[in-house]
Amino acid sequence: KNQVEQSPQSLIILEGKNCTLQCNYTVSPFSNLRWYKQDTGRGPVSLTIMTFSENTKSNGRYTATLDADTKQSSLHITASQLSDSASYICVVSAESSASKIIFGSGTRLSIRP
Amino acid sequence: DGGITQSPKYLFRKEGQNVTLSCEQNLNHDAMYWYRQDPGQGLRLIYYSQIVNDFQKGDIAEGYSVSREKKESFPLTVTSAQKNPTAFYLCASSQAANTEAFFGQGTRLTVV
Repeated sequence: KNQVEQSPQSLIILEGKNCTLQCNYTVSPFSNLRWYKQDTGRGPVSLTIMTFSENTKSNGRYTATLDADTKQSSLHITASQLSDSASYICVVSAESSASKIIFGSGTRLSIRP
Repeated sequence: DGGITQSPKYLFRKEGQNVTLSCEQNLNHDAMYWYRQDPGQGLRLIYYSQIVNDFQKGDIAEGYSVSREKKESFPLTVTSAQKNPTAFYLCASSQAANTEAFFGQGTRLTVV
């Protein structure tokens, strides 16, 4: 069964600290993995997209890693800011089909001043 | 501005009534999607369309209907057959299936 599991479910850190969010997947055959940021009551916004051959991709203070062998990805946030408070969603796509896009349930990140 | 627009942002419906959620995009994308988001759960696919005049059911299509008469529009109707319609609904579009998806700002539907 195609699944995407994220951990932790929620996380609270102090402003300025770093954090790492995890994503494990069993989606097969793998096509790509994306991380989205979703502010409360808004639509998700793409942070990174990674294909099988990529194992690191950065977008400002966000760095995503991918280990296709262990089927794990992480999103590292450096020097967190209050505006980083949001849900972070891992999305894995299988094949080239719109119906094979599996969403994780997200990690709710709260940044405290 | 290019983008994807959902309306309204908030919608209230009485039980037994049908309601239609609007989704418009000016990105010239072929593929469009409707997702439902419930607290603590991942987005679940309701319907998707990869080309005009064609659409397919997703994982939770029961109680919903869609149309794709124009490339830029993909309205979703929540019918009275949907048992638990209160949720946050997200529309998305992409250049093609499985390429990066761009999301609208969502419509929060509440049944009263």
